[in-house]
This record gives sequence, structure tokens and C-alpha cells, in this order.
Amino acid sequence: QQQVKQSPQSLIVQKGGISIINCAYENTAFDYFPWYQQFPGKGPALLIAIRPDVSEKKEGRFTISFNKSAKQFSLHIMDSQPGDSATYFCAASYSAGGGNKLTFGTGTQLKVEL
Amino acid sequence: NAGVTQTPKFQVLKTGQSMTLQCAQDMNHNSMYWYRQDPGMGLRLIYYSASEGTTDKGEVPNGYNVSRLNKREFSLRLESAAPSQTSVYFCASRPAYNSPLHFGNGTRLTVT
Repeated sequence: QQQVKQSPQSLIVQKGGISIINCAYENTAFDYFPWYQQFPGKGPALLIAIRPDVSEKKEGRFTISFNKSAKQFSLHIMDSQPGDSATYFCAASYSAGGGNKLTFGTGTQLKVEL
Repeated sequence: NAGVTQTPKFQVLKTGQSMTLQCAQDMNHNSMYWYRQDPGMGLRLIYYSASEGTTDKGEVPNGYNVSRLNKREFSLRLESAAPSQTSVYFCASRPAYNSPLHFGNGTRLTVT
């Protein structure tokens, strides 16, 4: 059962362009939605996170947009740079017990070309 | 500050062999997790320990066991390795609910 569906699987963007990665979730109890960035040979690292009481959160060139009614959230990378080339994972969790497990999407491999 | 340290970094096993993957964190985090990462499948939770002294199954626990040795250490054991367990294994920790997960750099395991 895929509780968090992520698309696209891979993405190629020109330098300076906007990268957009989308995720959809099923469990309405989810109350924490982070995005992780992973470089080859490394573990994922938190990029940005949002809670469902806000519709948008921006940190530098990275923005999360959140649509609670549609159960969707997306990551926008503005002015994409070659150094942004990595794999991105969306995730979701809820606070009500169960060890607060994070459920991850299947990942998006982003390549930013010069 | 080392964060989350995993050993070994690489391992090759023959089918049926056993091994233990080690994980230690120095951030005084309460919760620790073991994930496996496979192409096209994202990160899937194997086992987790919400706090010292407790462990619970995740999505894909079959063929694995864990031990929360103390607050710092959480090990993952494969009793009889199978080719389907070829994967990259990540250990992670977090201090509290809905706080960032801190990952180690992974153990790349190949079972032949």
C-alpha cells in the first residue's frame, strides 16, 4: 500500500528553470510533511518541511505548496542549479502514536543541465 | 559531532550467511529507525525503536531482527541472508515526534 505517491520519477531541468515535484497522500491523519534531499553515496537530509495549518512555506529557492483538501503537496525549486542535482523524497507522518513513523514517496531523480 | 554512524559501509554475503549492521548516534535522540532503499521503491521502514527499550515492526520486517542496545545504539541483524535483501540500508534517528530524521550514510549490502 503506497500511502505517499510521488511524481515524476525523474526530471531534467535547464539551469535557471523551475523544478516541480508532486506528492499525494491518502491518510488524513498525516500532520507533518517533510522533503528530503539525497546526494549519491549519502543519506537523505532534511530540506524543508510543512505542517497542514499553512498552505505554503518558503526557504530560499525552495518552496513547499500544500493543498489539504486535495491531499497534495509539492516542492518547487526556483532558479535550479547544477548543484541541486540529487534525488528528492517527499514524506509524511502523524503524531498520534505508532512511533511517529515517516512514510516516504518513491523519490524523484533531478538533473539540472547547464 | 559525528551524528549517525553506520558500520560497515559495504558488505558482500553469501545466501544463508548472517550478519549484524551497527548503528550509533551521539545526539541523545530517543527514536531510531532502520530503512532499506531500493531503486524505484523509495525508503521502506524495516524496524524502529520509539524509545530505549522498545522496538516495533515497520513495513518490511521479514528476515530481520533488531536490538536497541542502549539509547545510542540500534543494530539490525540478518539471520539467514537472501538475495532479496540486497539493498542499501540506512539508520536514522530523531529527538521527538515530527522532528527531522537524521540519517547515516548507509550500508550497501550485496547477497549472492
